[in-house]
Amino acid sequence: EAAVTQSPRSKVAVTGGKVTLSCHQTNNHDYMYWYRQDTGHGLRLIHYSYVADSTEKGDIPDGYKASRPSQENFSLILELASLSQTAVYFCASRTGFEQYFGPGTRLTVL
Amino acid sequence: GDSVTQTEGQVALSEEDFLTIHCNYSASGYPALFWYVQYPGEGPQFLFRASRDKEKGSSRGFEATYDKGTTSFHLRKASVQESDSAVYYCALGEHSNNRIFFGDGTQLVVKP
Repeated sequence: EAAVTQSPRSKVAVTGGKVTLSCHQTNNHDYMYWYRQDTGHGLRLIHYSYVADSTEKGDIPDGYKASRPSQENFSLILELASLSQTAVYFCASRTGFEQYFGPGTRLTVL
Repeated sequence: GDSVTQTEGQVALSEEDFLTIHCNYSASGYPALFWYVQYPGEGPQFLFRASRDKEKGSSRGFEATYDKGTTSFHLRKASVQESDSAVYYCALGEHSNNRIFFGDGTQLVVKP
């Protein structure tokens, strides 16, 4: 019954490969976000979206693309994965000022 | 631009100690302020908010008071427990903006 789910929960990818991280929400929220979490850097915003078929760049968009095909689904795409993209990735949806986060995806790029 | 600064990267306490985590903000307008908590292996979760000067937010024994004069929203708890060990994020949001700005987080470690 979790409102924001992410898949996969963990993934090992090879350098130069394509990676897609998926997020699904049942909150019926318009806003969705992708964050990256690294030790010592807190949460950094990669991309966000406030309506289906539209995405916006956050603070660190380089190397990432986003796709919002429907209100419920929001994907993060790494076309050419690099070692520096090893991190934990969180998706969130938002109502008012309250954000609801998913459980995270741990991505390791080798 | 808008930003949030948390002074402490890590705080180590013993059970029943008093907790203070400092949070200062910079914003062009009149933001709402928040605290989020992240337990190991989970995503961050909303703790509480305050929307106007002198308003106190609270939850689970934690509290913070919005202070526009000192641009602060410090998190306090009178007596911490080992189960409070987590990362705490201060954040702000403005109606004119589509996003919420998070601080870098403070790791709280409480020893039994």
